[in-house]
This record gives sequence, structure tokens and C-alpha cells, in this order.
Amino acid sequence: NAGVTQTPKFQVLKTGQSMTLQCAQDMNHEYMSWYRQDPGMGLRLIHYSVGAGITDQGEVPNGYNVSRSTTEDFPLRLLSAAPSQTSVYFCASSYLPGLAAYEQYFGPGTRLTVT
Amino acid sequence: QQQVKQSPQSLIVQKGGISIINCAYENTAFDYFPWYQQFPGKGPALLIAIRPDVSEKKEGRFTISFNKSAKQFSLHIMDSQPGDSATYFCAALTDNNAGNMLTFGGGTRLMVKP
Repeated sequence: NAGVTQTPKFQVLKTGQSMTLQCAQDMNHEYMSWYRQDPGMGLRLIHYSVGAGITDQGEVPNGYNVSRSTTEDFPLRLLSAAPSQTSVYFCASSYLPGLAAYEQYFGPGTRLTVT
Repeated sequence: QQQVKQSPQSLIVQKGGISIINCAYENTAFDYFPWYQQFPGKGPALLIAIRPDVSEKKEGRFTISFNKSAKQFSLHIMDSQPGDSATYFCAALTDNNAGNMLTFGGGTRLMVKP
């Protein structure tokens, strides 16, 4: 199993550009999520999904959109990039929602810089 | 405002020593308390986790102590090794009808000196 994969690994955007961060998992996990990691802030939840067709907002959803058309894929879209979105983005998945969601499997991350 | 506060931000320990990282939380609705370990350039990985009805959990050299009344929990790494050098995050899980959310602390960068 490849686990959780993310593309691209690095990306530089200009302010106002849009892009999609890709995330896929091959573990048949129901629960998927997106976090951003900033120094001293830990990881903050952007959006999550408890199954195909179901998404919900996390702690910092503004400026981001998600969709979940399949169990495997959970792309994150930046609508109009801003310098405040410079961060490292992690996708994660968990076998089931509920208490099992404490064990999440993280991808390797995408380092995004917005100039 | 972070709901899970973690300290210290950085920690240097000699090989063989004990590393202690502390976390405090406000939300009594948290249901599970995991710790994650992250090496540079990698995603975090689950290290150990504890339920709120348990006061201590030990796995090898890693122990979580949990104090429900004080709303605090801590990670102890016994006989710390250079290979333990990483960033550690405490977290808390909320499980409700709206879904499940992991709230992370700010992280502790641990360096174990040989």
C-alpha cells in the first residue's frame, strides 16, 4: 500500500492564483482531512470528510474548498491564494469516523509559498 | 485561541535522560488524547494515545500520564535516545454528531544530545 499520497511536494503561487492540492489514499479509509501546519501553531484542521459526498468545515476553512467524490480522493482547492496561506499542508485519513479518528495516517505534506 | 496548550516549545535532553512534554486543555468534551511524532520533512505519525478514563498508559519507553480533574496530560520519554529527536504534538479528539475533529497543541521540538 502507498498509504496517503500528496501532490505536489512543493508549490509557489502568486497572490490571486488558484490551485488544487491533491490527496489520495489506498487504505479504503472513510475519514479524510486536511490540515495546515504553521510554526508554533501545531496543525489546524481546514476541512474534513466522513465519507464520499460528505464534507464539513474545520477550524480554519476560509479560502479553501473541498469535495469528496470517491473514497480514495480528497482534493483541496485554494480559490484565490493569499500570502497568509503560505504553509505546509497535510492530508490525513482514518479507517472510521468516531473514536477511531484519533489514529490518523498523514501524507508527506505539500509546502506552499504564496508571493 | 488554541484549545490545547503545549509546553515547552523546545527541549534539549541528554542521551539516557527523561523527556517530559506537557499539555493542558479546556474543552471537557474531548474524548481521546493521542500524541504524534514528526520527523523533519515527514508527516506526523501516531505514537501513543489514551482515553480520559485511564490515568496512565505505557508503551515501551513512552508513557502518557493523564489528570482529568486538572485537564492536563503529559508525555514521558524514558531513556531518551538521539533517534527520538523529533517534533511531538499532543492532540485531543472531539467525537460528536457533527463529525470528528483532532485539535493539536503547538508542538515541542525535542533534541536528544548523544
